[in-house]
Amino acid sequence: KNQVEQSPQSLIILEGKNCTLQCNYTVSPFSNLRWYKQDTGRGPVSLTIMTFSENTKSNGRYTATLDADTKQSSLHITASQLSDSASYICVVSGNTGGFKTIFGAGTRLFVKA
Amino acid sequence: SQTIHQWPATLVQPVGSPLSLECTVEGTSNPNLYWYRQAAGRGLQLLFYSVGIGQISSEVPQNLSASRPQDRQFILSSKKLLLSDSGFYLCAWSVRGPSYNEQFFGPGTRLTVL
Repeated sequence: KNQVEQSPQSLIILEGKNCTLQCNYTVSPFSNLRWYKQDTGRGPVSLTIMTFSENTKSNGRYTATLDADTKQSSLHITASQLSDSASYICVVSGNTGGFKTIFGAGTRLFVKA
Repeated sequence: SQTIHQWPATLVQPVGSPLSLECTVEGTSNPNLYWYRQAAGRGLQLLFYSVGIGQISSEVPQNLSASRPQDRQFILSSKKLLLSDSGFYLCAWSVRGPSYNEQFFGPGTRLTVL
């Protein structure tokens, strides 16, 4: 069964600290993995997208890594800001006909002053 | 540039009433269009997707339906709402092609069924 599991479910950190969010998936065959940021009550916004051959991708203070062998990805946030408080969603797409894009349940990040 | 609109932003409806949510995309042609529902604290659940006018694929059996009367218009409907239909509804588009193309999301509609 194709699944995307994220951990932790929620996380509280102090402003300025770093954090790492995890994503494990079983989607196969794999096409790409995306990380989205979703502010409360808003639509998700794409942060990074990685294909099978990419190991890391950065977008400002956000750095995503991908290990296609172990089917794991992480999103590292550096020097967190209050505006980073949001849900972070891992999305994995398969490389077959039909629709096979699986959304993780997300990690809810709270950044406190 | 492309933009995606959804309305209304919020909606409170009684059980048994009809529903119509609208989504439109600007700045692109022949997009794939998607409807998702997000329950509180849960991941996005794909409800419908469309690869063209009049072409609708349903992912989850339920009392909702979708229609695509125009290339860049996607409508989510129900004849009789249930309490369980409450949630955050998101419309998304992607470039026509494989389903693994990046999706761009609208601002969402918060539906509360009382």
